[in-house]
Amino acid sequence: QVQLVQSGAEVKKPGSSVKVSCKASGGTFSSYAISWVRQAPGQGLEWMGRIIPILGIANYAQKFQGRVTITADKSTSTAYMELSSLRSEDTAVYYCARDWFRGTTVVTGGYAFDIWGQGTMVTVSS
Amino acid sequence: DIQMTQSPSSLSASVGDRVTITCQASQDISNYLNWYQQKPGKAPKLLIYDASNLETGVPSRFSGSGSGTDFTFTISSLQPEDIATYYCQQLTFGGGTKVEIK
Repeated sequence: QVQLVQSGAEVKKPGSSVKVSCKASGGTFSSYAISWVRQAPGQGLEWMGRIIPILGIANYAQKFQGRVTITADKSTSTAYMELSSLRSEDTAVYYCARDWFRGTTVVTGGYAFDIWGQGTMVTVSS
Repeated sequence: DIQMTQSPSSLSASVGDRVTITCQASQDISNYLNWYQQKPGKAPKLLIYDASNLETGVPSRFSGSGSGTDFTFTISSLQPEDIATYYCQQLTFGGGTKVEIK
């Protein structure tokens, strides 16, 4: 059974960038996508973007456009999420999740996140 | 982006009670609606996908229904281990429902 193993906690200064990794252990990404979801302390879940590793195609939530970059290395079955221009409001736990798409249209299709990483705490503080 | 509106934001019920959570999408998403359970300090867990399909290993007291824009999640008999926050999701997530024991 595939597991997603994320990199460790990070503490960053405002204005800097952070790059979090997510490695598939016990398998590969296969034809699935990988989505990134974050959760600020005491808040709900927020989808940030996704990538289809075999195609290298990424798309992002409008809120994060221009500030987030999601990439993947097929050879190591590792996905990355880089967030730039960090501010205190970016303090959150960042999760990767295996993303199983169904449907025929991107906007109204189904995206089920069936396997999750353990989460990576990113703290932005001066 | 499609917006997901979930209610209530919290509820308190007794062990054995039937619990219902609703979720509304801002446009027709057919049956592409998922439900997750999240316990404190843990990653979310997929319980139901495509509105009504139970993920493998999930107890049968959990169920989901709906299509189009209106969806419902039900716990038929609330158990102490069901204390958690529940989220609906198409791509973006609803605001969550915190379920507590009365």
